[in-house]
Amino acid sequence: EAGVTQFPSHSVIEKGQTVTLRCDPISGHDNLYWYRRVMGKEIKFLLHFVKESKQDESGMPNNRFLAERTGGTYSTLKVQPAELEDSGVYFCASSQKWATDSYEQYFGPGTRLTVT
Amino acid sequence: AQSVTQPDIHITVSEGASLELRCNYSYGATPYLFWYVQSPGQGLQLLLKYFSGDTLVQGIKGFEAEFKRSQSSFNLRKPSVHWSDAAEYFCAVGDHYGGSQGNLIFGKGTKLSVKP
Repeated sequence: EAGVTQFPSHSVIEKGQTVTLRCDPISGHDNLYWYRRVMGKEIKFLLHFVKESKQDESGMPNNRFLAERTGGTYSTLKVQPAELEDSGVYFCASSQKWATDSYEQYFGPGTRLTVT
Repeated sequence: AQSVTQPDIHITVSEGASLELRCNYSYGATPYLFWYVQSPGQGLQLLLKYFSGDTLVQGIKGFEAEFKRSQSSFNLRKPSVHWSDAAEYFCAVGDHYGGSQGNLIFGKGTKLSVKP
């Protein structure tokens, strides 16, 4: 069974540019989460999809971040325009839908975003 | 606010020695608790979890953790460390307040180095 995959593994962009991160969850997982780790800080929740619907986006830093999950499969996270403070590692995770199963999250390797 | 504290940023142990990584949480309800490990270039891997029941939980790779409600702790232990255990370890609480389900609140992580 394939795990959670993320693309790209590393992205270096200039301030003001746009970047789109992609996450492919484990097949059949309804829940998809995005997290971010800024250097030296803890991993922080960004948002949660159940299938194609946003269940919780309370962790999104501001309206420069846009996440989508069309068709309830893969998800994209777009940052437009990128700022220096957006640098960090962006993790995607997926899990089964129900109850405590939703907490058993499988993480991808992350995308390291560097904004210069 | 809910939070997780891992007081040790970096720990070095000798191969074959025992290990204990500390984790304290602040959470208003019965916590769902997790330990994840991240090896270089890899995603986070779930080591073990606690939802309820026996407070001593066994995980993969020979790890165990003990939930102590009175101390708000969930420390991770291993009796004999192997060189392959060198990685970063994250303690997390599953946030099940309110309408969201599945969001994890992480500590800052503890980097483990293993001396030969």
